Amino acid sequence: QKEVEQDPGPLSVPEGAIVSLNCTYSNSAFQYFMWYRQYSRKGPELLMYTYSSGNKEDGRFTAQVDKSSKYISLFIRDSQPSDSATYLCAMGSFINAGGTSYGKLTFGQGTILTVHP
Amino acid sequence: DSGVTQTPKHLITATGQRVTLRCSPRSGDLSVYWYQQSLDQGLQFLIQYYNGEERAKGNILERFSAQQFPDLHSELNLSSLELGDSALYFCASSTGLAQETQYFGPGTRLLVL
Repeated sequence: QKEVEQDPGPLSVPEGAIVSLNCTYSNSAFQYFMWYRQYSRKGPELLMYTYSSGNKEDGRFTAQVDKSSKYISLFIRDSQPSDSATYLCAMGSFINAGGTSYGKLTFGQGTILTVHP
Repeated sequence: DSGVTQTPKHLITATGQRVTLRCSPRSGDLSVYWYQQSLDQGLQFLIQYYNGEERAKGNILERFSAQQFPDLHSELNLSSLELGDSALYFCASSTGLAQETQYFGPGTRLLVL
């Protein structure tokens, strides 16, 4: 079982729709949660990050984290054709091992979203 | 534009060859990360350097190695290339160690023939 499972999609929605993108995880050590957007042939672009359970809003985007259920979501309101991209969830934990410390970030497989006019 | 630069953008080479990918992090960022992205495996973390020192290793093959130089730019060396190494290779950078808020470069597309 993968540490992070992301709804594979693809998703195709009409312009103006509300989009829900979801990931589940199995590792309770994850401490921070992120969503990245990746346009075709481009690098992932950080959309949102959060550390705690609950909702975080940024314009048309809302990130939701439920640590008790090990579930995160990204909602896009009033979706636009320019939102068409692959969305990646990512989760991280801070690890202390062998006298050194570092972070570890794990990505979901990505969901391809198409918003058609 | 994330501020992270990668060269080259595209690379075509043959099996058995060796290539070097280069990354310059955002100004002020001390951590550099390398990722491999393929259709079947998704985005896989390879290795992290922080201020010149290796800090974390992911699914990096022994044929691959990396380093971070005093000016903080990093290079990823891929040797004895195989067809399966064809992928997008991304570099990302962040201010600190914890892999929070990483900013990705545009990637290098490697094709091994």
